[in-house]
Amino acid sequence: DIQTTQSPSSLSASVGDRVIITCRTSQNINNYLNWYQQKPGKAPKVLIYGASTLQTGVPSRFSGSGSGTDFTLTISSLQPEDFAVYYCQQTYRTPRWTFGQGTKVEIK
Amino acid sequence: QVQLVESGGGVVQPGRSLRLSCAASGFTFSSHGMHWVRQAPGKGLEWVAVIWHDGGNEYYADSVKGRFTISRDNSKNTLYLQMNSLRAEDTAVYYCAREEETVAGTDYFGYWGQGTLVTVSS
Repeated sequence: DIQTTQSPSSLSASVGDRVIITCRTSQNINNYLNWYQQKPGKAPKVLIYGASTLQTGVPSRFSGSGSGTDFTLTISSLQPEDFAVYYCQQTYRTPRWTFGQGTKVEIK
Repeated sequence: QVQLVESGGGVVQPGRSLRLSCAASGFTFSSHGMHWVRQAPGKGLEWVAVIWHDGGNEYYADSVKGRFTISRDNSKNTLYLQMNSLRAEDTAVYYCAREEETVAGTDYFGYWGQGTLVTVSS
């Protein structure tokens, strides 16, 4: 299976900060990488698919980049509603979809 | 609007069985692959199983292979997960999710249910 490793596992940031979360895969997955946001007690919600395509309705402060084995999710200016856990997901080696371990974004 | 509503969770003893359902509405159910994803308390997301849009193929995570069976009834717009020989480590919130395929050939989980909690305990 393809391993997906996110970093950091958690971070503290203030409203207005620029936040960068990284995801590294053990094999080249081209752009088969998605990002999800999960708030407590809620289902995950897709933010970015295909490494860099913003899902409809997601604020433009979220962006994704990368290809191959290294990917980033950037929040350009952190808002109060962005405090959540973020997961990357590879869909290259199906049918074995795998998620990263998650990054918890907390209030500083 | 797209809705996915899971049901069937509860408390069950180790070794017993449980069947989860996911009722779909607001879209053409038979056009989409469907997945089950679980999340143990305080842990991350774990993909569990997938079934093709027509039920023609199904695949499982190694952790559930041979114990869980995914199925669907396209006439009832319902997805199922039959869970046998349950273990304590199967305790989790189980989500159903709709697969989206992009024109570029990638895919993602575009819609999720609210989840149903399964607790395996004696």
